[in-house]
Amino acid sequence: GAVVSQHPSRVICKSGTSVKIECRSLDFQATTMFWYRQFPKQSLMLMATSNEGSKATYEQGVEKDKFLINHASLTLSTLTVTSAHPEDSSFYICSGGDGRQPQHFGDGTRLSIL
Amino acid sequence: GENVEQHPSTLSVQEGDSAVIKCTYSDSASNYFPWYKQELGKRPQLIIDIRSNVGEKKDQRIAVTLNKTAKHFSLHITETQPEDSAVYFCAARDQAGTALIFGKGTTLSVSS
Repeated sequence: GAVVSQHPSRVICKSGTSVKIECRSLDFQATTMFWYRQFPKQSLMLMATSNEGSKATYEQGVEKDKFLINHASLTLSTLTVTSAHPEDSSFYICSGGDGRQPQHFGDGTRLSIL
Repeated sequence: GENVEQHPSTLSVQEGDSAVIKCTYSDSASNYFPWYKQELGKRPQLIIDIRSNVGEKKDQRIAVTLNKTAKHFSLHITETQPEDSAVYFCAARDQAGTALIFGKGTTLSVSS
C-alpha cells in the first residue's frame, strides 16, 4: 500500500530550538498533506492543510508563524516548529492524500522540548 | 465545520465478548467514515471504512454500520481478543482532499 515516510521519529531538544519534521510520500503523489498534533491520551487534532505549491491553511488557534509548513513538491512536505517551548511537546503526525481515500499516515514524530 | 462525537471514552470487556463504539457527526455532507486503531506511540492504522452509499460493511470480526439520517455510525468488534486492546478513533470527511476530523477516541481493554 501507499507509504508516507516521516522523519525524525523522535526529537529531544532545548527550549528555543527550531525543529523540522519531514514527510515524504514514497509511492504516490501527495497533492495534499495534513498535519495533526496529538497530546497524550487525546485525539488527533488537525493543525493545517497544505497543497503542493500553495500556502498552507491553518486551523483556528494554530499559529502560522510558529508552525511553518512547506509543501514544495508532490512528494515532500515539511513542518518546522520555530522557537519550540515545552508546551509544544507532542506527537506530530502527517497524512498524505492524492485526492482519493483513504489518507496515508506517517509514523509520527514525538517532540520533547526540555 | 465537522464535529465528531465518540462514546464511550473507555470500554472494558472480557475476551470473547463483543464491543461497540458509537460516533455521531454534524456535517450532513460528510460521506466517508473510517475507523482507526492506534497502539501507544504508533500511527493510527485503518481497520475499516464505510462510504455514505452503504449502510453496513463487515470484515471478519469487525463491522461498521452507518445511519445517514441520524448521522451516526458504529464499530462492532465480535469475539474480542486481548490483542484488540488499543485506542480506537472514528473519523469523518466530506470529500476526498479534505482532512479527516477525528472523534476523541475509545480506549478498549480486553481481559483474558
